[in-house]
Amino acid sequence: DAGVTQSPTHLIKTRGQQVTLRCSPKSGHDTVSWYQQALGQGPQFIFQYYEEEERQRGNFPDRFSGHQFPNYSSELNVNALLLGDSALYLCASSLKQALNEQFFGPGTRLTVL
Amino acid sequence: RKEVEQDPGPFNVPEGATVAFNCTYSNSASQSFFWYRQDCRKEPKLLMSVYSSGNEDGRFTAQLNRASQYISLLIRDSKLSDSATYLCGRYSSASKIIFGSGTRLSIRP
Repeated sequence: DAGVTQSPTHLIKTRGQQVTLRCSPKSGHDTVSWYQQALGQGPQFIFQYYEEEERQRGNFPDRFSGHQFPNYSSELNVNALLLGDSALYLCASSLKQALNEQFFGPGTRLTVL
Repeated sequence: RKEVEQDPGPFNVPEGATVAFNCTYSNSASQSFFWYRQDCRKEPKLLMSVYSSGNEDGRFTAQLNRASQYISLLIRDSKLSDSATYLCGRYSSASKIIFGSGTRLSIRP
């Protein structure tokens, strides 16, 4: 039973660049939520996808966008990177009918220089 | 005031001790609460869900106090392997989990 997977593990970018992060949910799960975790802070909700549409969004600018594919995997895109975007980006998978039970992937650590 | 607040710690306790920390929340309508454990540079892992007055799993006990709007986590007979950051979260009506900043726990031999 495969858990949540994310790629890449680490990424280094420079200001102004664009980045795409990927997530495959746990087997059987259909919903993906993305969180940003800055150093020393708890995860902050970015947005959530199910049925290939963005369903909920947190307080993040439009530079953050996403996509969900028919196989339930998801991408997070961030444009015009800022130094403050450096963080651990976590993907959490769940079932649409049990959104409160979210299981996290190992995360992608993004460093913006 | 933050929606979910935790004492950042660190809590430094000897092996075998009992340790407890609290998490306060501001939304009285919240129904679902969680404790996640996060090891250094790893993802949060669900430790316990709290839906009613409390939950117990082995050495871990979580309690919910709705009147005072806090949940607590009690760890009995602490082990070295319990050293981690413990994140408290509440499930919001917007289908997201709102997390506190975490409490660092260090168990010393």
